[in-house]
Amino acid sequence: DAKTTQPPSMDCAEGRAANLPCNHSTISGNEYVYWYRQIHSQGPQYIIHGLKNNETNEMASLIITEDRKSSTLILPHATLRDTAVYYCIVRAQGGSEKLVFGKGTKLTVNP
Amino acid sequence: NAGVMQNPRHLVRRRGQEARLRCSPMKGHSHVYWYRQLPEEGLKFMVYLQKENIIDESGMPKERFSAEFPKEGPSILRIQQVVRGDSAAYFCASSPNSQETQYFGPGTRLLVL
Repeated sequence: DAKTTQPPSMDCAEGRAANLPCNHSTISGNEYVYWYRQIHSQGPQYIIHGLKNNETNEMASLIITEDRKSSTLILPHATLRDTAVYYCIVRAQGGSEKLVFGKGTKLTVNP
Repeated sequence: NAGVMQNPRHLVRRRGQEARLRCSPMKGHSHVYWYRQLPEEGLKFMVYLQKENIIDESGMPKERFSAEFPKEGPSILRIQQVVRGDSAAYFCASSPNSQETQYFGPGTRLLVL
């Protein structure tokens, strides 16, 4: 079973920031938080991952709370092409190598 | 640097036939993972392979399914005597080692008639 909880759906206006929350209250000290997205049944696309510090790349920012029990993926300027299902996944480095996908959040970016 | 390649992208089989799905990992990646996505469901892990070795097959159905990753060539997911319930999207991912990020291919959509 997935170790994360996400809202099933969210809406966002085009050009605005999309903030996608994820709860992972049972996360262990050696577990990373990964984010992937799946656009209309395409292969999942890696977005970003982090351990405890906030991370930013060209796609998004990842904010992890100090207690690491939750995180937020931020798409700073959402476009229509960001409409997708976003998956938050907890994965141990050096532990089980497989990714356990939950149901994710269906983000719809509206014009 | 080409991404993960999968072929065919679409495969139609009749019940009882065999399906062979191929996955070529990214250059420099020697770890391959297969996932299955049934209609309207999330992705489920099937098997994890390194070159010539199966590391974790805990998600593989006990019968009719097998996977290999030979020293040369792509990884193959083989489904014998397909049934309608095998209709799904099959995704392959690769990584340079077990610690690093997995990158996914575009998937093979199998339809069993």
